Amino acid sequence: LAKTTQPISMDSYEGQEVNITCSHNNIATNDYITWYQQFPSQGPRFIIQGYKTKVTNEVASLFIPADRKSSTLSLPRVSLSDTAVYYCLVGDGNNAGKSTFGDGTTLTVKP
Amino acid sequence: DADVTQTPRNRITKTGKRIMLECSQTKGHDRMYWYRQDPGLGLRLIYYSFDVKDINKGEISDGYSVSRQAQAKFSLSLESAIPNQTALYFCATSDEGLAGVTWSTETQYFGPGTRLLVL
Repeated sequence: LAKTTQPISMDSYEGQEVNITCSHNNIATNDYITWYQQFPSQGPRFIIQGYKTKVTNEVASLFIPADRKSSTLSLPRVSLSDTAVYYCLVGDGNNAGKSTFGDGTTLTVKP
Repeated sequence: DADVTQTPRNRITKTGKRIMLECSQTKGHDRMYWYRQDPGLGLRLIYYSFDVKDINKGEISDGYSVSRQAQAKFSLSLESAIPNQTALYFCATSDEGLAGVTWSTETQYFGPGTRLLVL
């Protein structure tokens, strides 16, 4: 089982860059890393996904080192609306039943 | 996501009652999931289905059952509700991810959630 570990919470200020790191020491060779965002009382929403090195989209960047034992979600110039819980998800090979979202990282952006 | 709907949105029931939560999707996905979320915690997988004839237990399936009536519909039942099943329940669907790659490349699309209170 590829368990993930994230900080429980982080604080930031508007306009700053935020980096959230996820550890996944037992990630399988063929697994991808996916990040989701969840606002209160809403379902999670896909942010970004990657396998190695760097992936960037209009919302965030994802950095994955060569050993793939961790990944870092980078949110550029956060705003108050980025306050949410961020989950790092790593699959367990082809068995969906063993994947979990974990408890995520609660990001609070302050004015 | 309006493509995934859940009914009811809120439900209060009593211990021992049987209840059903329903999920419908218009995304045309074969894969559907039921999760539960307790306050301050992450999502835990209850059941999942990769097609109409496929049903699989997740990490916390005890006390729950599901029915996949069609590609678009996936229902979760609590046969005899108990107070510790009070939680926020989410349905999700997903595509099959990148062709030729493991399932973990899929993107999951979540419904708005059903808030359940068992007294």
